[in-house]
Amino acid sequence: EAQVTQNPRYLITVTGKKLTVTCSQNMNHEYMSWYRQDPGLGLRQIYYSMNVEVTDKGDVPEGYKVSRKEKRNFPLILESPSPNQTSLYFCASSTVGQGLAKNIQYFGAGTRLSVL
Amino acid sequence: AQSVTQLDSQVPVFEEAPVELRCNYSSSVSVYLFWYVQYPNQGLQLLLKYLSGSTLVKGINGFEAEFNKSQTSFHLRKPSVHISDTAEYFCAVSDIWGTDKLIFGTGTRLQVFP
Repeated sequence: EAQVTQNPRYLITVTGKKLTVTCSQNMNHEYMSWYRQDPGLGLRQIYYSMNVEVTDKGDVPEGYKVSRKEKRNFPLILESPSPNQTSLYFCASSTVGQGLAKNIQYFGAGTRLSVL
Repeated sequence: AQSVTQLDSQVPVFEEAPVELRCNYSSSVSVYLFWYVQYPNQGLQLLLKYLSGSTLVKGINGFEAEFNKSQTSFHLRKPSVHISDTAEYFCAVSDIWGTDKLIFGTGTRLQVFP
């Protein structure tokens, strides 16, 4: 079954304690992306990756890091979490290129993060 | 740059009534248009998309949307809603020549009452 898997689904942490949210996809997609969802703001892109070792900032990258060492994995790293990073996070993936498959992003189930 | 405006943050409706969720976009380049649905405690699921061709697009679960280029709108409609349609709906756009980045609206919560 085609899917994007995020772990953990729920996470409570304290300010300054480094954490990693994992994301894995089994569709051999080149493009992967992280979004955060906040009430009244919709989803905003944090970082994205066009392929292995190719990453770039989205609209709200401050306080986050990512890496893309393997095609299937795209972890989101919070080196020193702060309360304003309390949010619902989604990982997404899609195939790159033209045509009908372009931009059809598949989303994980989400990770709800609370930073105290 | 693109932006998306969903004019209604909440839409309450009775079961079996028709519904329209409004979406307007702004862009200086050609875009693809999408509607995603988010059921409670779940991720986003693609409802329908407009890439090219017919401006009336049919999606899953009986939903459809019409692309109106002159009004820069992509409203979502369903002629008869069910309780199970209660969810949050997001309109999104993407630059057809750029990366796969999606620009989302702020969402519309559809609440269907019995």
